[in-house]
Amino acid sequence: KAGVTQTPRYLIKTRGQQVTLSCSPISGHRSVSWYQQTPGQGLQFLFEYFSETQRNKGNFPGRFSGRQFSNSRSEMNVSTLELGDSALYLCASSEETAMNTEAFFGQGTRLTVV
Amino acid sequence: EDKVVQSPLSLVVHEGDTVTLNCSYEVTNFRSLLWYKQEKKAPTFLFMLTSSGIEKKSGRLSSILDKKELFSILNITATQTGDSAIYLCAVGWDSSYKLIFGSGTRLLVRP
Repeated sequence: KAGVTQTPRYLIKTRGQQVTLSCSPISGHRSVSWYQQTPGQGLQFLFEYFSETQRNKGNFPGRFSGRQFSNSRSEMNVSTLELGDSALYLCASSEETAMNTEAFFGQGTRLTVV
Repeated sequence: EDKVVQSPLSLVVHEGDTVTLNCSYEVTNFRSLLWYKQEKKAPTFLFMLTSSGIEKKSGRLSSILDKKELFSILNITATQTGDSAIYLCAVGWDSSYKLIFGSGTRLLVRP
């Protein structure tokens, strides 16, 4: 069974640019959650999608957005990048919700904004 | 405000020692508490706890939840260098579809 795949693994962008990150969940999993991890803040919840519907969103500015496709793959987009957006972005896949069962995390995308 | 606090922030022990990691939380309509281990990038699942007083065990690791006092502990006995990692505690609550993570405990096990 293939794991959670995140692409790209590493990304360097300049301030003001935008970026799109991708997450392919485990086959059969319909819930995808996104987290931002920084040394100072730990894992911060960004959003959660289930069957193409966003069920919750974290306290991040509107520059952060996401979506989920009918095959459960998910993307997140960050527009007008700021230096503070540099972080490891992790996605987690679960059958229904990460609250009720084991969630499987991808290896993350390391975003560096210069 | 919902929050999860882990202690200690970091811990250095020697192989063979026993460690106890703590996680306290303040969440309305608690649903579950989960422990994850993060060695490099992808956290891996350890336990999910929903009921008080019932110990979950996997090899040398065990965990228990106290819903009255709002905390959980993760015990690791006979530690090994491979246990070196960040241990994350996360809490979910009804209808939230999200987890709040604590800042983690960084454990270093020396040979």
